[in-house]
Amino acid sequence: KAGVTQTPRYLIKTRGQQVTLSCSPISGHRSVSWYQQTPGQGLQFLFEYFSETQRNKGNFPGRFSGRQFSNSRSEMNVSTLELGDSALYLCASSLDTGSVKKLFFGSGTQLSVL
Amino acid sequence: DQQVKQNSPSLSVQEGRISILNCDYTNSMFDYFLWYKKYPAEGPTFLISISSIKDKNEDGRFTVFLNKSAKHLSLHIVPSQPGDSAVYFCAASGASGKFYFGSGTKLNVKP
Repeated sequence: KAGVTQTPRYLIKTRGQQVTLSCSPISGHRSVSWYQQTPGQGLQFLFEYFSETQRNKGNFPGRFSGRQFSNSRSEMNVSTLELGDSALYLCASSLDTGSVKKLFFGSGTQLSVL
Repeated sequence: DQQVKQNSPSLSVQEGRISILNCDYTNSMFDYFLWYKKYPAEGPTFLISISSIKDKNEDGRFTVFLNKSAKHLSLHIVPSQPGDSAVYFCAASGASGKFYFGSGTKLNVKP
């Protein structure tokens, strides 16, 4: 079974631009979450989508948005990029059955904002 | 608001010895805890988990201990191997389904 696939792996943008990141979950997984990883900050939760609906949201500004398609693939968009948005963006999918929920992560998209 | 904390950014251990990684949390409603391992340029991979109804869970060389009264969990790796060198994240989850991650501990196992 293929794992979680994130594209692109690396991205360089300049301040003020916008960016779209893509995530294909493991087949059969309906929950997709997005995290931002910066040095010393661990993984900060952005949002979670389940069946095309945003189910949970973290404490990030409205410049960060996402969506999920009917095939469970998800995209994350960041508008008006700032230098502080430089980070590794990780997508995770899960089966979301019962109380035991395990996240499977992709390799991430490394975003650099210049 | 950091609900899950890993206060040791790094840990160095000799091969064959025990590695103990610690994690503290503040929310008493968390009922499920996990450890992930992350190598550079890769996403985190699941290592081991424990639910709040247990105080210990073992999987081979890895054991997770949960002390609910102290809101503390730890990961023991025995014996440590050079391939265990990675960043370890602890995570906690409750009824909301959201996962809260610590900032990670970088483990270096010296040959």
